[in-house]
Amino acid sequence: AQKITQTQPGMFVQEKEAVTLDCTYDTSDPSYGLFWYKQPSSGEMIFLIYQGSYDQQNATEGRYSLNFQKARKSANLVISASQLGDSAMYFCAMREYPSGSARQLTFGSGTQLTVLP
Amino acid sequence: GAVVSQHPSRVICKSGTSVKIECRSLDFQATTMFWYRQFPKQSLMLMATSNEGSKATYEQGVEKDKFLINHASLTLSTLTVTSAHPEDSSFYICSAPRQYAHNSPLHFGNGTRLTVT
Repeated sequence: AQKITQTQPGMFVQEKEAVTLDCTYDTSDPSYGLFWYKQPSSGEMIFLIYQGSYDQQNATEGRYSLNFQKARKSANLVISASQLGDSAMYFCAMREYPSGSARQLTFGSGTQLTVLP
Repeated sequence: GAVVSQHPSRVICKSGTSVKIECRSLDFQATTMFWYRQFPKQSLMLMATSNEGSKATYEQGVEKDKFLINHASLTLSTLTVTSAHPEDSSFYICSAPRQYAHNSPLHFGNGTRLTVT
C-alpha cells in the first residue's frame, strides 16, 4: 500500500492566489513526521516545512503552511500569494520513527504546480 | 548555501562502463547518507542507505553488485554504477540529515543525471 498519496499530478494557480496541494499518508506508527519539498526543473530538492505527529499547531513557514488533519491522515500544503517562482514539483514525504529504518524519507508521487501570470 | 555537494551533475557514458558519483556533506558529519533514484516526472525511490564504516543497506530489488556504495569517511559517500546499461539512465540524488533528530530534514545534493548510450 502507498504510504504517501498525492492525488493531484498537476495543479494550476493564478499568480498572487493561494493554492492547496493535497497529501494523505498511511502509517500505524504513533510517531512520525511529515515533510514537504519543492523540486524546480533544475532537480534540486528544497525543504519547505515540517509537521510532527504530536505537534498541536499547524506548521507555518513564511508563505507555506500545513493543514494537518491527523484523524484524516492528511497534511496538505498551502502556498499563499503564489509567485511565478513557485512553479515546480512538490513532494510530500514521511518519516516513521522509531520503527522506521534509520532516518529515511518516503516520498509521494508529487504534484507539478504551475503558476500562471 | 548548499550543505550537501554532489558530483558530477551530469554524466554521459557508454554501455558497459562504470560511473562514480560522489556525495559530500560540507559542514557536518554524516554517518548515514541516503541514495535515491528518480525517473522523469516520478517520485524519489530510495535505493540504499550508506553507513559510514559498514556495509550499505539496499532496498528490495536494488542490485548491490550493480550499485556499489562506499562510505569511507564521515563526509563522503560514493555510488558507483557498474557495467552501466541504458536502463540505468536516471537521476540519482543523495541526501543526509544534518542532525539526528526526528524533525531533521534530509538535505539533498543537486543530483546527477546519468545517461548511458
